Amino acid sequence: AQSVTQLDSQVPVFEEAPVELRCNYSSSVSVYLFWYVQYPNQGLQLLLKYLSGSTLVKGINGFEAEFNKSQTSFHLRKPSVHISDTAEYFCAVSDRNDYKLSFGAGTTVTVRA
Amino acid sequence: ETGVTQSPTHLIKTRGQQVTLRCSSQSGHNTVSWYQQALGQGPQFIFQYYREEENGRGNFPPRFSGLQFPNYSSELNVNALELDDSALYLCASAVEGFYGYTFGSGTRLTVV
Repeated sequence: AQSVTQLDSQVPVFEEAPVELRCNYSSSVSVYLFWYVQYPNQGLQLLLKYLSGSTLVKGINGFEAEFNKSQTSFHLRKPSVHISDTAEYFCAVSDRNDYKLSFGAGTTVTVRA
Repeated sequence: ETGVTQSPTHLIKTRGQQVTLRCSSQSGHNTVSWYQQALGQGPQFIFQYYREEENGRGNFPPRFSGLQFPNYSSELNVNALELDDSALYLCASAVEGFYGYTFGSGTRLTVV
């Protein structure tokens, strides 16, 4: 079984400042890793994913994440945020054999002008 | 456009009733999963179907059941509704070979 810990429940940030959302996972098997964004009253939108290959993954809207196997982390970063990045962000992990997603509790990002 | 459509978007039911939630996926999406997201929490895995067979289940009681149909649609049934079943229910589908899930916008279920 896998588990995900998102280390920050809330992250306030000023517009055009950088942001980092931290995610650690535990698993006894090889995994796939994902970051999803959820805007109010909406479903989940995939930001980026790590399936294999390069550990630095680039996603939509200027986000990127780095897979660190030794530290079992998959932190999400954006160099300059916009007001429209205000949302809930979820880190998720799945077993490479069964594809079931385990989610973290989420990080609320609030971008202020 | 997400490619995964859920209906209805909102639903209010009384405790003890039964409910059916529906999901329509893109052609070729052979895997479908359902998740429950309580307010302020991350989604929790309910179950997964692959080619119309259940192939994984989370920690949910048997009154949560599902079906997947050949036309890439699926449904989630919940019997004997309880107040704690109030949540956003998300459907997610994936193509053969799995490159990640596409999620629908969800059905917001309120049990009163």
